Amino acid sequence: EAGVTQFPSHSVIEKGQTVTLRCDPISGHDNLYWYRRVMGKEIKFLLHFVKESKQDESGMPNNRFLAERTGGTYSTLKVQPAELEDSGVYFCASSQGLAGGVDTQYFGPGTRLTVL
Amino acid sequence: AQSVTQLGSHVSVSEGALVLLRCNYSSSVPPYLFWYVQYPNQGLQLLLKYTSAATLVKGINGFEAEFKKSETSFHLTKPSAHMSDAAEYFCAVSNRGGGYQKVTFGTGTKLQVIP
Repeated sequence: EAGVTQFPSHSVIEKGQTVTLRCDPISGHDNLYWYRRVMGKEIKFLLHFVKESKQDESGMPNNRFLAERTGGTYSTLKVQPAELEDSGVYFCASSQGLAGGVDTQYFGPGTRLTVL
Repeated sequence: AQSVTQLGSHVSVSEGALVLLRCNYSSSVPPYLFWYVQYPNQGLQLLLKYTSAATLVKGINGFEAEFKKSETSFHLTKPSAHMSDAAEYFCAVSNRGGGYQKVTFGTGTKLQVIP
């Protein structure tokens, strides 16, 4: 079974440009999460989808970030316009969404974003 | 609010020596606890998880962790370090209950294994 995949693996852009990150979750996983790790800091939650609906976007830094999940399958995270402080590694994770018990999140390899 | 604290951003051990990575959690109710590992140029991989079935949890690659409620700790150990264990390790906590289980991560500990 394929794991969570993310594209691109690396992206280098200039301040003010737009970047779109993509995440494909594990097939059948209704829950999809975005996280970000700024260098040296902890991995921080950005937002959570259940199918195509945003359940919790309390971690989104500001309105320059827009996440979508088309048809409840893959998700995109767009940063427009990018700022220097947006640099970091963006992780995507997915989970089944169990009614009881632990709902383990499985992570993708991340996208390393560098804003110059 | 839940949180985790990982003591030591960098830990160095000799090959064959005991690995001990420390994690303390804060939660108003007994949480779920996880250890994830990130090998160089790879994503986060689940090492093990505590869900309350047993306080000593065994994971992949010979790692294990013990949940100690009295100490609010979930330290990760491995009896004998291998060179391949060099990676960054993250402790994480999530709330219990059905539905949405929000995961909070620690700042990570980089493990260096010295030959």
